[in-house]
Amino acid sequence: EPEVTQTPSHQVTQMGQEVILRCVPISNHLYFYWYRQILGQKVEFLVSFYNNEISEKSEIFDDQFSVERPDGSNFTLKIRSTKLEDSAMYFCASSVLLNEQYFGPGTRLTVT
Amino acid sequence: KNEVEQSPQNLTAQEGEFITINCSYSVGISALHWLQQHPGGGIVSLFMLSSGKKKHGRLIATINIQEKHSSLHITASHPRDSAVYICAVWKGAQKLVFGQGTRLTINP
Repeated sequence: EPEVTQTPSHQVTQMGQEVILRCVPISNHLYFYWYRQILGQKVEFLVSFYNNEISEKSEIFDDQFSVERPDGSNFTLKIRSTKLEDSAMYFCASSVLLNEQYFGPGTRLTVT
Repeated sequence: KNEVEQSPQNLTAQEGEFITINCSYSVGISALHWLQQHPGGGIVSLFMLSSGKKKHGRLIATINIQEKHSSLHITASHPRDSAVYICAVWKGAQKLVFGQGTRLTINP
């Protein structure tokens, strides 16, 4: 069964460093999403992406964040200058239309 | 106030019991998801529904759009059902808003 994959599974970085989280969505899906979950808190929407552009973003998704689909298969989330409060689990998801989403296993980001 | 509220926050039951998890939302939506988050963190979509009722195995989800309420039921619960169950609603064109989750523990 097709699945969404994410790499790395765990990333440790120092405050102020740039990180890139990678996702490979399911191949025929058209809509792509990033979510984050701070430990012990609820999942939060970050951004949705369709037709090579951002469709919607949350107030969390400020200028420090960017997304890209560089090669038609990968979907990346970049955090330019990480802060301690960026430590969280980051989930990628994809869907064919605006319907059932398939989630990746997540990347745990730890900022020290 | 959260736009999506779930109850209870924690639920412990014995194997075989009938389980109900509730979700109320305060925003206009086009559809609602029920998700399962495993202890390891992975998220699986269980249902997406915009009206009525859906059933998959021992899981049943219902939604009442007028009352802005949805329920997730598990029949003949089993320890492997232990997980966090999350309600999420579509708000706007492409944004999911999540509830805080219900932590379910089924004891053998």
